Amino acid sequence: DAGVTQSPTHLIKTRGQQVTLRCSPKSGHDTVSWYQQALGQGPQFIFQYYEEEERQRGNFPDRFSGHQFPNYSSELNVNALLLGDSALYLCASSPVLNTEAFFGQGTRLTVV
Amino acid sequence: SQQGEEDPQALSIQEGENATMNCSYKTSINNLQWYRQNSGRGLVHLILIRSNEREKHSGRLRVTLDTSKKSSSLLITASRAADTASYFCAFTSYNQGGKLIFGQGTELSVKP
Repeated sequence: DAGVTQSPTHLIKTRGQQVTLRCSPKSGHDTVSWYQQALGQGPQFIFQYYEEEERQRGNFPDRFSGHQFPNYSSELNVNALLLGDSALYLCASSPVLNTEAFFGQGTRLTVV
Repeated sequence: SQQGEEDPQALSIQEGENATMNCSYKTSINNLQWYRQNSGRGLVHLILIRSNEREKHSGRLRVTLDTSKKSSSLLITASRAADTASYFCAFTSYNQGGKLIFGQGTELSVKP
């Protein structure tokens, strides 16, 4: 049983560009959440998707958007990249709310 | 702030010793989870403890939860060099859906 998988693992983008990160949840999980982790910090919640809808959103600008597909996989899109968007982006899935959340290996985004 | 706080920020011990990490929070929680992170990679789920539980064990790990003091602790017994990692507590709170709120983490170094 594959766990949560994210792609790509590393990415370098130029300021102002747009990026799309992808996540496949663990089998049987229908809820996907995205987190941003800056160096030396704990992860910060970006948003959560369930039944293809954004259920909850953290304190991130509209440049951050997402999508969930019928097969529960998800994408995180970031527009107009800033240097400060450089971080590890983590995807987590869970079978229902308030249960164990399992994380992928993350995508390391570097904005230059 | 809703963020969890972890103590100590860094801990260095010898192999075979026990390691204790503490987490405090300020809101009413639904559950609290502990994660391990190696070298800025993905988060590995260790234990989930619900608000109506006081203690849970998993192998060499023991987690306690004191909701009256709004605190939790993670004890790793008989530590090994392979336990070297960052450890994070994360909780979900009532009326906040399933989003995880993380602490800043404790960096554990186990010397052989």
